[in-house]
Amino acid sequence: NAGVTQTPKFQVLKTGQSMTLQCAQDMNHEYMSWYRQDPGMGLRLIHYSVGAGITDQGEVPNGYNVSRSTTEDFPLRLLSAAPSQTSVYFCASSYTGTAYGYTFGSGTRLTVV
Amino acid sequence: AQSVTQLDSHVSVSEGTPVLLRCNYSSSYSPSLFWYVQHPNKGLQLLLKYTSAATLVKGINGFEAEFKKSETSFHLTKPSAHMSDAAEYFCVSPEGGYNKLIFGAGTRLAVHP
Repeated sequence: NAGVTQTPKFQVLKTGQSMTLQCAQDMNHEYMSWYRQDPGMGLRLIHYSVGAGITDQGEVPNGYNVSRSTTEDFPLRLLSAAPSQTSVYFCASSYTGTAYGYTFGSGTRLTVV
Repeated sequence: AQSVTQLDSHVSVSEGTPVLLRCNYSSSYSPSLFWYVQHPNKGLQLLLKYTSAATLVKGINGFEAEFKKSETSFHLTKPSAHMSDAAEYFCVSPEGGYNKLIFGAGTRLAVHP
């Protein structure tokens, strides 16, 4: 089925470890973005991309890197995990001019110990 | 900068009674506004969207919302709650040409038999 696929669904990391959260969409959407969800704070934008080769920072980019080499994929890298990065991460994608709204993945629950 | 404020962090209703989830927005111009729903351990699903057409917007699962510029509000309503409506609801406004979504803190709806 078409949509946004995130892997893994769950992950436990030790402080200082690195990892990549994967996000792929098969809808040919130009826009892709990463959000983190923390209790009582809604979702906050980490990084976003308006097309292959183009990325920009969102509201809470520190500690995260992204790249967009293809239209389909938008991985999120944690370079040196910290307990403050314990959160649920969502990837989302959309066509240009989101009158259509974004399509969200099912999320990755990350715990950093 | 745009912002959205959800006035209630928790709302509890009985099955069959009306639902009202409140959202106020802050914007220097007439914004676009969305409501998303998140069921437990799931991703986010678009309920409805306002994009400066009709001020009364109908969405999925019997929900609707009315855009009131004079009150800067976009409250979500449903005439009769169902047990399956129990979820967290987010009022959302896009920013920056739809590149970024600004989320309210969320309202958790509980539905009791």
